[in-house]
Amino acid sequence: GIQVEQSPPDLILQEGANSTLRCNFSDSVNNLQWFHQNPWGQLINLFYIPSGTKQNGRLSATTVATERYSLLYISSSQTTDSGVYFCAVDNYGQNFVFGPGTRLSVLP
Amino acid sequence: KAGVTQTPRYLIKTRGQQVTLSCSPISGHRSVSWYQQTPGQGLQFLFEYFSETQRNKGNFPGRFSGRQFSNSRSEMNVSTLELGDSALYLCASSLAGHGYSPLHFGNGTRLTVT
Repeated sequence: GIQVEQSPPDLILQEGANSTLRCNFSDSVNNLQWFHQNPWGQLINLFYIPSGTKQNGRLSATTVATERYSLLYISSSQTTDSGVYFCAVDNYGQNFVFGPGTRLSVLP
Repeated sequence: KAGVTQTPRYLIKTRGQQVTLSCSPISGHRSVSWYQQTPGQGLQFLFEYFSETQRNKGNFPGRFSGRQFSNSRSEMNVSTLELGDSALYLCASSLAGHGYSPLHFGNGTRLTVT
């Protein structure tokens, strides 16, 4: 089945810093989504991004489906950005697979 | 618009028992999918329902089952509970399914099997 990798596994930032999270996948996908799981366990959808670039405030994402990767950019990070970031892919209805996540800690 | 509602929030069960979890999707969403989250295995897809039909299924034993009602509400059942079934169970709803539209998650049900 399709494999999803995320890097880095852990990231510690000072408030105000920028960061880039990466998601690689091993096969063709028809869509990709990014999620943030906050320290209370709630999963929030950040982007639905099968291809191209999207921006939402301080966050933006780019998916290059032909090269099988996606990037999530966080600018001017805040302590509320802490948590785990997951990417998840759907490979044409065969399965929906989450990556292992990147744990982000933003220090004040 | 109300979000995805999962009940109950917490459950403690004994090995061998069965459990039923409930999920009410966002109004207008026809797809409900279920996921298991554990520290060891991460987030894993269980199954997806669309308009009362199971559309696809993850790699879980037959003890895990689900259904969807005509009002799009969904239930998940786990029979003959094992210690390894202890997990956070998350449900998500979407307009057209996880392959075609964004997923919106509920707060989850934390199941502890003793």
